Amino acid sequence: DGGITQSPKYLFRKEGQNVTLSCEQNLNHDAMYWYRQDPGQGLRLIYYSQIVNDFQKGDIAEGYSVSREKKESFPLTVTSAQKNPTAFYLCASSTPGTGSALRYGYTFGSGTRLTVV
Amino acid sequence: DQQVKQNSPSLSVQEGRISILNCDYTNSMFDYFLWYKKYPAEGPTFLISISSIKDKNEDGRFTVFLNKSAKHLSLHIVPSQPGDSAVYFCAARTRGSNYKLTFGKGTLLTVNP
Repeated sequence: DGGITQSPKYLFRKEGQNVTLSCEQNLNHDAMYWYRQDPGQGLRLIYYSQIVNDFQKGDIAEGYSVSREKKESFPLTVTSAQKNPTAFYLCASSTPGTGSALRYGYTFGSGTRLTVV
Repeated sequence: DQQVKQNSPSLSVQEGRISILNCDYTNSMFDYFLWYKKYPAEGPTFLISISSIKDKNEDGRFTVFLNKSAKHLSLHIVPSQPGDSAVYFCAARTRGSNYKLTFGKGTLLTVNP
């Protein structure tokens, strides 16, 4: 079955460490996204990528970095510069926003909960 | 500045009754609106969408209404079921931006048996 896989489901990080969250999709989608969810904050866009080797900052990119070397993969690194990294992170993908793709929007992964200890 | 607003953090409804979730927006450039449903510790799943050229879209128990003049949309669930209990997010796409969606903060719906 096609879908998006995020790993790990739970992740613990010590302060001052970088950590990388994995996101892989086999939907042949061109675009991929990273969102962060905090209680009462909804979904906030961190980074997005429309094509391989290209990505753009979202609304809250500070302290995060991404790469898009393959169409299927869009890993997110939470760096030590991120002041408040404890959150639920969601990866999503989509095809260009026309026709049936737009009617269904994004396909989301099941999320990674990152906790700084 | 929040462009997509879900002003009710929570809603409680009896099983079998109608659930109405509301969403307001400020950006006139939004041309497509979507509703997502999310259970705890899971990713959101697509529920229903509507183009700005329409005022209603129906899919089974779910109907979305769009009032462009008021910049308001609503999701109706009839009849509500306990399994509908989840957080519902309203999202909008900006015309000309094929990829980026703007999300509201969500409304927690609880359907009581």
